[in-house]
Amino acid sequence: AQSVAQPEDQVNVAEGNPLTVKCTYSVSGNPYLFWYVQYPNRGLQFLLKYITGDNLVKGSYGFEAEFNKSQTSFHLKKPSALVSDSALYFCAIIMDTGRRALTFGSGTRLQVQP
Amino acid sequence: DTGVSQNPRHKITKRGQNVTFRCDPISEHNRLYWYRQTLGQGPEFLTYFQNEAQLEKSRLLSDRFSAERPKGSFSTLEIQRTEQGDSAMYLCASSYTSGDSYEQYFGPGTRLTVT
Repeated sequence: AQSVAQPEDQVNVAEGNPLTVKCTYSVSGNPYLFWYVQYPNRGLQFLLKYITGDNLVKGSYGFEAEFNKSQTSFHLKKPSALVSDSALYFCAIIMDTGRRALTFGSGTRLQVQP
Repeated sequence: DTGVSQNPRHKITKRGQNVTFRCDPISEHNRLYWYRQTLGQGPEFLTYFQNEAQLEKSRLLSDRFSAERPKGSFSTLEIQRTEQGDSAMYLCASSYTSGDSYEQYFGPGTRLTVT
């Protein structure tokens, strides 16, 4: 079955420290991978995507993600966390390039402590 | 580009009543998606349109749910005879199908509470 998994319900990190939010996937064929962030009372905001090309992709707000085909992972990273990064993060995958509907992981809450 | 808008932002209704939500996508986007998000979960796909054609409905979308996108612009999602299990955040997203622009842009959602 094709799926996306976020193994951590919550990640806690101190401000200024690097952060990683994990995502693994299972899909036949080439994966199309995305990260979205959700702030309270706001919609999902697109952060970055991997379609093809360089394994390290850069996105909004200083976030980046590394696509690792052998480990079927697409972890979200940031070198220095900000308190304002505290939010709910979703990894998503497109399994059908026809309809292009997103399948989301269950989300990881990132808490950055001052 | 004013982004995707959704109305109303909140809806409280009694079980058995009908409700309708509206989504206005980004103007040049030809694809429009509806998702449902329950507490603690990621959004789940419900249906999508390319222009005015509804191309797929998830099995999550019971016969009580109907969606339209007349003229390929805004879309409405109607739920008839609401049930408490329909309580969720309903999200709309739009995208433009060109090249590798697979990302979707989401509205703020409509939170439905069925009492």
